[in-house]
Amino acid sequence: EVQLVQSGAEVKKPGESLKISCKASEYSFTSYWIGWVRQMPGKGLEWMGIISPGDSDPRYSPSFQGQVTISVDKSISAAYLQWSSLKASDTAMYYCARLTAGVVGTLDVWGQGTTVTVSS
Amino acid sequence: EIVLTQSPDFQSVTPKEKVTITCRASQSIGSRLHWYQQKPDQSPKLLIKYASQSFSGVPSRFSGSGSGTDFTLTINSLEAEDAATYYCHQSSSLPHTFGQGTKLEIK
Repeated sequence: EVQLVQSGAEVKKPGESLKISCKASEYSFTSYWIGWVRQMPGKGLEWMGIISPGDSDPRYSPSFQGQVTISVDKSISAAYLQWSSLKASDTAMYYCARLTAGVVGTLDVWGQGTTVTVSS
Repeated sequence: EIVLTQSPDFQSVTPKEKVTITCRASQSIGSRLHWYQQKPDQSPKLLIKYASQSFSGVPSRFSGSGSGTDFTLTINSLEAEDAATYYCHQSSSLPHTFGQGTKLEIK
């Protein structure tokens, strides 16, 4: 079964760094772009950015450019979302999802989500 | 950036009713419009891709239509399990964007 399994919930303090992961299985990891989506508490879905695992080429939403870093390690079929200095406003659920058909694709497989809580 | 506007934001419906949710794009996106269902405390699930193509395993009561700037998700004969929030998503140009969501409550 094609799956994306995300790392567990995180509780961090403002200013701390964080890297969450999304591990793919049962498909050719380098053949599909991976996307990241934010959902703040009680709110809708926000598209953060995507990355091509084949050449590690990320594309960011302007809203998130410079705020997060998206990366991959194709040797272990994993994608990552990283913050260098968390803010309270980063508190949210974060989903990774697989894109079909390159950058114009739909999101056909989703991870279970990683809850990030940033609080002093 | 392409803005997607869904209507309504909220709808309370009875089982077996027919439901229509619309998604309007701020500029033409061809057929690169997709629909997702999200139930409480679950990840979103793909229902319809490229405006009208049903995704594998999705019940046949869900259908999509439209092209250009105006799109519709239709749920025929609503069931209690369809209580969820529905989102549209465009992949025509970067950055991709989502609509604000439509919450369906079952009476």
